[in-house]
Amino acid sequence: DAKTTQPNSMESNEEEPVHLPCNHSTISGTDYIHWYRQLPSQGPEYVIHGLTSNVNNRMASLAIAEDRKSSTLILHRATLRDAAVYYCILSYLGGYQKVTFGIGTKLQVIP
Amino acid sequence: GAGVSQSPSNKVTEKGKDVELRCDPISGHTALYWYRQSLGQGLEFLIYFQGNSAPDKSGLPSDRFSAERTGGSVSTLTIQRTQQEDSAVYLCASSLMGGPTGELFFGEGSRLTVL
Repeated sequence: DAKTTQPNSMESNEEEPVHLPCNHSTISGTDYIHWYRQLPSQGPEYVIHGLTSNVNNRMASLAIAEDRKSSTLILHRATLRDAAVYYCILSYLGGYQKVTFGIGTKLQVIP
Repeated sequence: GAGVSQSPSNKVTEKGKDVELRCDPISGHTALYWYRQSLGQGLEFLIYFQGNSAPDKSGLPSDRFSAERTGGSVSTLTIQRTQQEDSAVYLCASSLMGGPTGELFFGEGSRLTVL
């Protein structure tokens, strides 16, 4: 299974943009890049996903490198409610089976 | 509510006892996943159901773990002869179709503590 690598933790000031990086150098052509986040004492929630092109939704933007070996989740204006663990995972053609969410990046938002 | 429901939310048991954890997915979701999250760790995949069948059971950590899904809906994860290392939060997720683009909807988890 293709693996992802993320920094263990990051800090951001409130109302500033946050760029959360993810490396997936062994990604295959059929792997989709997904981001989830987990607030304290809750299950993870979906943030965004993409294949090749950059994606935007109401929560965030996903910038995918041209060679697809890395991606960046962009929170345009961090709020205190964005403090969470952010997971970057790859799902392949068969779905999410065998996908393990790594430790993720713990984002701290400073007021 | 219309979300994924898990029960019990908390379970404390003694080593050697059996436990059952229940997951009620979102209505109409054909794919169902079980994950385990130990303290301070990421999510470890356990098993995946498409309908009532489990095409991939390779994530189950030992033969003490089993899971079933009936009627394409509710799923039960059973842990027999619990050990202290089984202590974790067990998370269930469902997805409409189970494909690579399907969004996973997670429950709030069942926290298991084995004394």
